[in-house]
Amino acid sequence: ETGVTQTPRHLVMGMTNKKSLKCEQHLGHNAMYWYKQSAKKPLELMFVYSLEERVENNSVPSRFSPECPNSSHLFLHLHTLQPEDSALYLCASSQSSGSGAYNEQFFGPGTRLTVL
Amino acid sequence: AQSVSQHNHHVILSEAASLELGCNYSYGGTVNLFWYVQYPGQHLQLLLKYFSGDPLVKGIKGFEAEFIKSKFSFNLRKPSVQWSDTAEYFCAAEALAGFQKLVFGTGTRLLVSP
Repeated sequence: ETGVTQTPRHLVMGMTNKKSLKCEQHLGHNAMYWYKQSAKKPLELMFVYSLEERVENNSVPSRFSPECPNSSHLFLHLHTLQPEDSALYLCASSQSSGSGAYNEQFFGPGTRLTVL
Repeated sequence: AQSVSQHNHHVILSEAASLELGCNYSYGGTVNLFWYVQYPGQHLQLLLKYFSGDPLVKGIKGFEAEFIKSKFSFNLRKPSVQWSDTAEYFCAAEALAGFQKLVFGTGTRLLVSP
């Protein structure tokens, strides 16, 4: 398996459910990201992990909870979501150069989430 | 706050027509600039990038982009499009000061008719 993989590819959940999205990168990168892609809106950066530490939390509601157990894996735990949270959730990874710039990001295929 | 604007939301072209998609960013300092493409049913992938040097950047599949610092622009071009170029194109900018993060435009959906 190469690149960035995400599971599941599709998820339908009720507002009271708890689910998790998983991302795995096979590129040896040291930074990972969660984005939300909604129709007619720019990609929204949600979280950034660099060297397994969270370095950005973009005012995301607490019903979204990220976890980065190691540099290859990233999770997004979901609970009590709202219908407006329905979107495509993209994971990405990159190699931080150390100068601060995160450079080129490689994206996974996304998880299409529908909240009923 | 840093932002990226893509002025064309939908573009329809016939095969062999020339393409130019506009992108402007709103950050006055040094930036890295990117164009990503998302083909139907596929994930986002990098088309080309500009970090420094020659402002005319060549990417995959015959695409190129020109960084014009005075205009804060990074327009994407292709002299002759193909049906297989039908996709959504995203411009993105990464500021090289403060906390660096990638900021995306809203995307341009390109439809090329055969």
